[in-house]
Amino acid sequence: AQSVAQPEDQVNVAEGNPLTVKCTYSVSGNPYLFWYVQYPNRGLQFLLKYITGDNLVKGSYGFEAEFNKSQTSFHLKKPSALVSDSALYFCAVRVGPNDYKLSFGAGTTVTVRA
Amino acid sequence: DAGVIQSPRHEVTEMGQEVTLRCKPISGHNSLFWYRQTMMRGLELLIYFNNNVPIDDSGMPEDRFSAKMPNASFSTLKIQPSEPRDSAVYFCASSPLRGERQPQHFGDGTRLSIL
Repeated sequence: AQSVAQPEDQVNVAEGNPLTVKCTYSVSGNPYLFWYVQYPNRGLQFLLKYITGDNLVKGSYGFEAEFNKSQTSFHLKKPSALVSDSALYFCAVRVGPNDYKLSFGAGTTVTVRA
Repeated sequence: DAGVIQSPRHEVTEMGQEVTLRCKPISGHNSLFWYRQTMMRGLELLIYFNNNVPIDDSGMPEDRFSAKMPNASFSTLKIQPSEPRDSAVYFCASSPLRGERQPQHFGDGTRLSIL
């Protein structure tokens, strides 16, 4: 079954420092991978996706993610974190090419301190 | 443009009562998803529809839960009778049909508390 894992429950960084949120995947075939962010009392917001093509994907709010097939990873990155980036981040994988279901990771809480 | 709209935003009721959650997907989106989020179990897919037809309801926890999509612009998730363990945040999401490459767009959820 297609799945993703987020090995860190929490990530803490200082404002201005680089931010990385880790995600590994397990799929058969080509993966369709997504990152979402959730702010308190809000729904999930789409950040970026990898379908095919360049391994470095750029998304909203200055975020990017690097697809690494050999390491089966899709880590989310931001060169300089802001306090406003503090939120819950989810990695997700499409269950199959003809299936619209997403399998979500458990989420990583990011705290950016001023 | 309007996103996915869910109502109510909060619902508090006593166990045994019927609860109905509502969702209006983004216009033009043909796939609709209902999720439940809890601290213990994270984000779980309950059911999804394509063109108003339920495709996969394997995530519906039990017969007390039912979902309908009578038309392209409206869906309901009903719990009858409700139990305290149903307390959670319920999200609706939509995406375009043939949207395997497209992200799902989420509403802001309904926070349900069953006393």
